[in-house]
Amino acid sequence: ETGVTQSPTHLIKTRGQQVTLRCSSQSGHNTVSWYQQALGQGPQFIFQYYREEENGRGNFPPRFSGLQFPNYSSELNVNALELDDSALYLCASSLEGHGIGGANVLTFGAGSRLTVL
Amino acid sequence: DQQVKQNSPSLSVQEGRISILNCDYTNSMFDYFLWYKKYPAEGPTFLISISSIKDKNEDGRFTVFLNKSAKHLSLHIVPSQPGDSAVYFCAASASGTSYGKLTFGQGTILTVHP
Repeated sequence: ETGVTQSPTHLIKTRGQQVTLRCSSQSGHNTVSWYQQALGQGPQFIFQYYREEENGRGNFPPRFSGLQFPNYSSELNVNALELDDSALYLCASSLEGHGIGGANVLTFGAGSRLTVL
Repeated sequence: DQQVKQNSPSLSVQEGRISILNCDYTNSMFDYFLWYKKYPAEGPTFLISISSIKDKNEDGRFTVFLNKSAKHLSLHIVPSQPGDSAVYFCAASASGTSYGKLTFGQGTILTVHP
């Protein structure tokens, strides 16, 4: 059983550029969530994808967008990068409906560390 | 608005002693709570959870206590081991929201000294 893999592990961009981060879900999982973790903070929910559609979003602007593919892999796209977008971006996968009541136990990848200069 | 708070940025304990990590929340809609552990250069890994219909859940050396009236939960690790040294995150979820949406605290760095 493979875990959640993310790429790239590190990248540096300049303000105003666009970035795409990629995630391969754990085998058998059909739901993917993306989180942003700023330095010294806990992960913050960006959005969730299920059946290739966004079905939940946190307090992030529309320049944060995503895709989920038929094989359940996913992308996070961020346009018009700002300095505050510098963070660790975590992808998490889960199996919808197979959690502890209303909450799925998420399996996280190691993250992609984005630095915006 | 920090709905889940871990007020202790760090905790240091001796091997074999008890580690107690605390977490407070403000949102009354939260009804599931989880603890995640994170090692450097790795993603957070699930540790233990509790539903709001319970006040205690045990799994080996790990026990989570929930006090709904105080909106407070704690994670007890007994006995603590050096391999437990990591960042611990408290997280909460509300029924009816996306299954993948967890609200995390800021984390507590636990250091267990041999």
